[in-house]
Amino acid sequence: AQSVAQPEDQVNVAEGNPLTVKCTYSVSGNPYLFWYVQYPNRGLQFLLKYITGDNLVKGSYGFEAEFNKSQTSFHLKKPSALVSDSALYFCAVRDVGVAYSGAGSYQLTFGKGTKLSVIP
Amino acid sequence: ETGVTQSPTHLIKTRGQQVTLRCSSQSGHNTVSWYQQALGQGPQFIFQYYREEENGRGNFPPRFSGLQFPNYSSELNVNALELDDSALYLCASSPGLAGGRGQYFGPGTRLTVT
Repeated sequence: AQSVAQPEDQVNVAEGNPLTVKCTYSVSGNPYLFWYVQYPNRGLQFLLKYITGDNLVKGSYGFEAEFNKSQTSFHLKKPSALVSDSALYFCAVRDVGVAYSGAGSYQLTFGKGTKLSVIP
Repeated sequence: ETGVTQSPTHLIKTRGQQVTLRCSSQSGHNTVSWYQQALGQGPQFIFQYYREEENGRGNFPPRFSGLQFPNYSSELNVNALELDDSALYLCASSPGLAGGRGQYFGPGTRLTVT
């Protein structure tokens, strides 16, 4: 089974500074990797994904992520943090489970999440 | 905001009761997945429905069951509720099984079991 790890429970950064939220993965085969953000009392919002191609993936709200195959990492980054970026961030990998249809059951396996606090 | 909606927003049930949660998928999406997010944890996959058939299940007991309707909306049913079932239940829809375009999540239903 695939897995992701988010080594930091919380990241604090000053407004205007660059931010990084870390994620490492363990997969067999080519990874399909995702970042989602969750605001309080809300569902998950898709930020970006890596499937193939450029190692630097650009997403919503100015976020980007760097895929590093040798380090099995997929860190989320933003050049200049905003207070409104404060939220819970989840890294996820597409996992292939037991499928009854024969076509494959592709679910997401999530990390535990990292709480990002941007300090004014 | 995605086009995925869930109802109700909040729900309080007593241990041993049964509950039904509902999800309307985004237009054009024929695959619905359900996730359970316990407090302080990442979402965990419960099961997936594709064209009205269950198409994969995570590590959840049979008292978690579901349905998908011809319009691709879906229900999650939980029987014999336990205190540990208290969580945010998320529904996600996607345009097919491959998942390459990601899954689009609804706002969730907060279930509290007392």
